[in-house]
Amino acid sequence: DAGVTQSPTHLIKTRGQQVTLRCSPKSGHDTVSWYQQALGQGPQFIFQYYEEEERQRGNFPDRFSGHQYPNYSSELNVNALLLGDSALYLCASSRIRTGGNEQFFGPGTRLTVL
Amino acid sequence: GQQLNQSPQSMFIQEGEDVSMNCTSSSIFNTWLWYKQEPGEGPVLLIALYKAGELTSNGRLTAQFGITRKDSFLNISASIPSDVGIYFCAGPDMGGYQKVTFGTGTKLQVIP
Repeated sequence: DAGVTQSPTHLIKTRGQQVTLRCSPKSGHDTVSWYQQALGQGPQFIFQYYEEEERQRGNFPDRFSGHQYPNYSSELNVNALLLGDSALYLCASSRIRTGGNEQFFGPGTRLTVL
Repeated sequence: GQQLNQSPQSMFIQEGEDVSMNCTSSSIFNTWLWYKQEPGEGPVLLIALYKAGELTSNGRLTAQFGITRKDSFLNISASIPSDVGIYFCAGPDMGGYQKVTFGTGTKLQVIP
């Protein structure tokens, strides 16, 4: 049973560029949440997708957008990259039916903005 | 917004020692989660707590849901080198959605 997978593992971009990160949830999970983790800090909630819609959003600008596909996989898009967007981006999946509080995380994508 | 403060921020312990860490919140939670994160990896769920006063174990780990619902505690008994990592407490929003707020983390280092 595959866990949460994310791609790519590492990415280097320059300021102003756009980036797309991908996530496949754990088998049987229908909800995907995205988090940003800066060095030395805890993960910060970006947003969550369920039934292909954004259900809740954290304190992140509109440059951060996402999408969920019918197979529950998800993408995180960041436009007009800033140096401060450099971080580990984590995807977590869960099941709505079980309350969804137990979120399982992928290994993350390390984004570096130069 | 909700804030979760963890203490201590970091700790060095000898292998075999017991470890205690805690997490306090400015608001109440209905669920407490404890995660461990190792370098280059995503957080791994260790223990989930669903009821005030609940005490739950997972091997050498024991966590408690504080009676006030504003705190939680994690204990590790007889530490071993592979316990090294950052331990995060986390709590889902009360609003029925699944936004999870993470604490500031406790970095644990075990000296063999």
